[in-house]
Amino acid sequence: DAKTTQPPSMDCAEGRAANLPCNHSTISGNEYVYWYRQIHSQGPQYIIHGLKNNETNEMASLIITEDRKSSTLILPHATLRDTTVYYCIVRPYNTDKLIFGTGTRLQVFP
Amino acid sequence: DVKVTQSSRYLVKRTGEKVFLECVQDMDHENMFWYRQDPGLGLRLIYFSYDVKMKEKGDIPEGYSVSREKKERFSLILESASTNQTSMYLCASSLSPGTKAEAFFGQGTRLTVV
Repeated sequence: DAKTTQPPSMDCAEGRAANLPCNHSTISGNEYVYWYRQIHSQGPQYIIHGLKNNETNEMASLIITEDRKSSTLILPHATLRDTTVYYCIVRPYNTDKLIFGTGTRLQVFP
Repeated sequence: DVKVTQSSRYLVKRTGEKVFLECVQDMDHENMFWYRQDPGLGLRLIYFSYDVKMKEKGDIPEGYSVSREKKERFSLILESASTNQTSMYLCASSLSPGTKAEAFFGQGTRLTVV
């Protein structure tokens, strides 16, 4: 299974874009990249996922490099409520098993 | 809305006890998961079930077993609880492959083994 590497922590000013990187250099061609975030005292919440193309939804944008070895989650206008842990996951094509890592703790400051 | 319900929010058990953590989902999802979460270690998958009576080991299955007799219910069993199993336990469910495979999580059970 492809593994992911994320920085343990990042800071971002409120109102600015938060760009969270993820390295998945061993990803296979048919493996999806997922992003989740953890709401305090609750389980993780799905944000977005993608295969090859960039994706955007109401919560965030996902930019996947052409070689698919890394991706970036973009929160376009970070708020204080976005302060939490973000997980980048690679899901193997032949299973629904989701393997989380340790994630990136994003701190949004005023 | 999808609902994943874990039977207890907080649980205190004694070393050596047999512990059952129950999880029920109401959206007819094929897949169900049990994770544990510890500070600095993130979420680690204990077991995964992709159908009734079907299961697959995760990264840390030792000391745990699971049961899925009905599609909506997935139980995590600690055969003989130990203090190193003190943790937050999270259950999740998702639809089958080929779909968005978005996982929905329960509120978690904070288990303390004394």
